[in-house]
Amino acid sequence: AQKVTQAQTEISVVEKEDVTLDCVYETRDTTYYLFWYKQPPSGELVFLIRRNSFDEQNEISGRYSWNFQKSTSSFNFTITASQVVDSAVYFCALSERGGSQGNLIFGKGTKLSVKP
Amino acid sequence: EPEVTQTPSHQVTQMGQEVILRCVPISNHLYFYWYRQILGQKVEFLVSFYNNEISEKSEIFDDQFSVERPDGSNFTLKIRSTKLEDSAMYFCASSEARSQGEEKLFFGSGTQLSVL
Repeated sequence: AQKVTQAQTEISVVEKEDVTLDCVYETRDTTYYLFWYKQPPSGELVFLIRRNSFDEQNEISGRYSWNFQKSTSSFNFTITASQVVDSAVYFCALSERGGSQGNLIFGKGTKLSVKP
Repeated sequence: EPEVTQTPSHQVTQMGQEVILRCVPISNHLYFYWYRQILGQKVEFLVSFYNNEISEKSEIFDDQFSVERPDGSNFTLKIRSTKLEDSAMYFCASSEARSQGEEKLFFGSGTQLSVL
């Protein structure tokens, strides 16, 4: 069965701190895709990144970085030097190559609060 | 940047009433989706739609739900006889035609449905 676990329900940090959001997934498929989405207070879901299961290279985009480790079935997300605008709920999601079209399995989300 | 738009942003209805939630997907996208998020819970897949028919649907998407693309731009979700448990944020999404599982979904800002 597919499953995505985000064990951290809420995290609160002070601006400029680094913060890591954890994501652990379960799948039996050998080909799958992992996503992170951001949900700011305005409500929309904003795509951040997509990784396929064959690409374990870590990725950095500005202050954001992602650490994908198949050995531990984890796809963690780090924000460096956090800012107040990073305050949002962050969702990790999984889809399988053999799964339904567009059927993303979401985790429950981690609410990040960055205080000035 | 093109975006998915949803109307209305908030909808309040009485139990048993029909509601129609509207979405305008990104114009060159071919796949359309509805997801929902009950307060405090994870985002859940409802249905995917391609070439004027349902591609996949979850067990949540029962006979009370239907989707339609009435013209070249709108994509609607109808709930025939709303129940209290239908209260949720409903997200519309669209994607380009990609390999299954790899789709990058663009989400709208959601419609908050409250059933009284």
